[in-house]
Amino acid sequence: AQTIHQWPVAEIKAVGSPLSLGCTIKGKSSPNLYWYWQATGGTLQQLFYSITVGQVESVVQLNLSASRPKDDQFILSTEKLLLSHSGFYLCAWSRQGGSDYTFGSGTRLLVI
Amino acid sequence: GDQVKQSPSALSLQEGTNSALRCNFSIATTTVQWFLQNPRGSLMNLFYLVPGTKENGRLKSTFNSKESYSTLHIRDAQLEDSGTYFCAAGASSSFSKLVFGQGTSLSVVP
Repeated sequence: AQTIHQWPVAEIKAVGSPLSLGCTIKGKSSPNLYWYWQATGGTLQQLFYSITVGQVESVVQLNLSASRPKDDQFILSTEKLLLSHSGFYLCAWSRQGGSDYTFGSGTRLLVI
Repeated sequence: GDQVKQSPSALSLQEGTNSALRCNFSIATTTVQWFLQNPRGSLMNLFYLVPGTKENGRLKSTFNSKESYSTLHIRDAQLEDSGTYFCAAGASSSFSKLVFGQGTSLSVVP
């Protein structure tokens, strides 16, 4: 069975500090991978997607970047956090060509 | 504008009663997913639909692609059904994007 793991569970970071969030999928080769962001009380907004190692497409510009260094790993990062980066970050996967998403348990970020 | 419009935005149900949530799509949609987000934030998959109907226990969902809407029926609501329900539109021509509605916040009360 496939499992999706996100880390860390929660972070409190200072404005201007760097950030790195991780996501790992086990039990599935060559998945499509996605990063979503959710403001408190809001809907989910797609940030990035990746269909293969080393290839990432940006959907929304939020002064964030993403990378896929391995088939089963997706990283979200920034060198300088803004207050507006606070929220809930969710990683998801689907099979190639599929729109059936499974989400990880998320990382809650508070920027102060 | 709202590509995926969910209604109602909030709902309070008495335990044991029934209700329906709805999503209307203004974008090309070939698949629909329904999720339940718990207070911790985890998204639980409820249904993945191509046009048609699926049922799972007290939940039943329909996706009508010709009229661009989907419904989620909750029968005999229980306290543990409380949370935020999201529908999301997928398109086989653009598998890379799942577009979410604004969510329905459901509170089931005794």
